[in-house]
Amino acid sequence: GENVEQHPSTLSVQEGDSAVIKCTYSDSASNYFPWYKQELGKRPQLIIDIRSNVGEKKDQRIAVTLNKTAKHFSLHITETQPEDSAVYFCAASRPEYGNKLVFGAGTILRVKS
Amino acid sequence: GAGVSQTPSNKVTEKGKYVELRCDPISGHTALYWYRQSLGQGPEFLIYFQGTGAADDSGLPNDRFFAVRPEGSVSTLKIQRTERGDSAVYLCASSQGPLENIQYFGAGTRLSVL
Repeated sequence: GENVEQHPSTLSVQEGDSAVIKCTYSDSASNYFPWYKQELGKRPQLIIDIRSNVGEKKDQRIAVTLNKTAKHFSLHITETQPEDSAVYFCAASRPEYGNKLVFGAGTILRVKS
Repeated sequence: GAGVSQTPSNKVTEKGKYVELRCDPISGHTALYWYRQSLGQGPEFLIYFQGTGAADDSGLPNDRFFAVRPEGSVSTLKIQRTERGDSAVYLCASSQGPLENIQYFGAGTRLSVL
């Protein structure tokens, strides 16, 4: 089955700097890759997603890139703000498996002001 | 409703007891998923419903775990003979249907087995 690895496990950046989180996946048939942000004690919230037919997607300060050949995708946050501090999870899914999400272990992002 | 609702938000029980966790998905969403999140880890898939039927229950850890969705809306996750290792946050998510990828999560039920 699918396996998703996520790095780094923790990331500290200065406010205003950029943050990059990377994930690799094992199943070449996976075609949907969402990123969720989870604040302490709260629900995971979708912040951006990408499908396998595109290589990059942007939404204001957030972008995701996908390299299907290498089977990895990355989350890029620019101009980080203290409110970006949270745990970020990447995930992968494929429709043949009902789109069930396989998650990475998460990255704790701390933005220092 | 406005979002996925899960009750209770917290559940404390004793080892060996039976518990039920409820999920109320977004209105009109036909697909419903249960995940389990242990401390410091990502959510792990348990079971997926499309309508009333369990389309994939491959993530259920053993036969103490069971879930139902009798009318294709609300779902209940049932755990028999709870063990301390069952302590975790149980998350529910829903999506519009099998062809729609985006899953919306509830806030979860934090289960503590003493």
